[in-house]
Amino acid sequence: GAVVSQHPSWVICKSGTSVKIECRSLDFQATTMFWYRQFPKQSLMLMATSNEGSKATYEQGVEKDKFLINHASLTLSTLTVTSAHPEDSSFYICSARARWGGGGETQYFGPGTRLLVL
Amino acid sequence: RKEVEQDPGPFNVPEGATVAFNCTYSNSASQSFFWYRQDCRKEPKLLMSVYSSGNEDGRFTAQLNRASQYISLLIRDSKLSDSATYLCVVNTVSGAGSYQLTFGKGTKLSVIP
Repeated sequence: GAVVSQHPSWVICKSGTSVKIECRSLDFQATTMFWYRQFPKQSLMLMATSNEGSKATYEQGVEKDKFLINHASLTLSTLTVTSAHPEDSSFYICSARARWGGGGETQYFGPGTRLLVL
Repeated sequence: RKEVEQDPGPFNVPEGATVAFNCTYSNSASQSFFWYRQDCRKEPKLLMSVYSSGNEDGRFTAQLNRASQYISLLIRDSKLSDSATYLCVVNTVSGAGSYQLTFGKGTKLSVIP
């Protein structure tokens, strides 16, 4: 099946630094990628939807200047958490949507990146 | 009202037991429905789609009632490896034609030897 990778798998950083997370679709082209965040014992919350070659669409309450998303190619999207603070510590998961012949679509999830800001 | 609501759990059941999870969704325009499984500190993985006619995959049976906006998952003959959090997920298409997955908080299942 389709595979989505994320890098790094975990990050520990000091408050005020920026962290970049990469999301790649390994064996398919993803015109749309999604970024989610999950706090402990909470559901996945969509942060933004990213379409290749265009600006990301952010969900209400998500600061676009703090969470920079770049979707430069059909296989790569990046999320940069700028000036990270302890409250940004969370599990960040990307997802890529694959379109198949016949109009079918499936959304595949990356393994997630655990961010801890000290 | 939350968009997708699930049994709060946790469910602690002995091996071999049958367990049922329930889920309700608030958006009547939702078009497709799924159960995902999430292991501790891992990403969610698709368990099965849910169809109006009901569908079965081995020990797992999913049901959808569109009129009641209700989804269920039944696990028969529980195995230790079934221990995980089960997420009810609803897919809704917006007016612009894009779609979005909305996740429930999940119900934690622990199968006990």
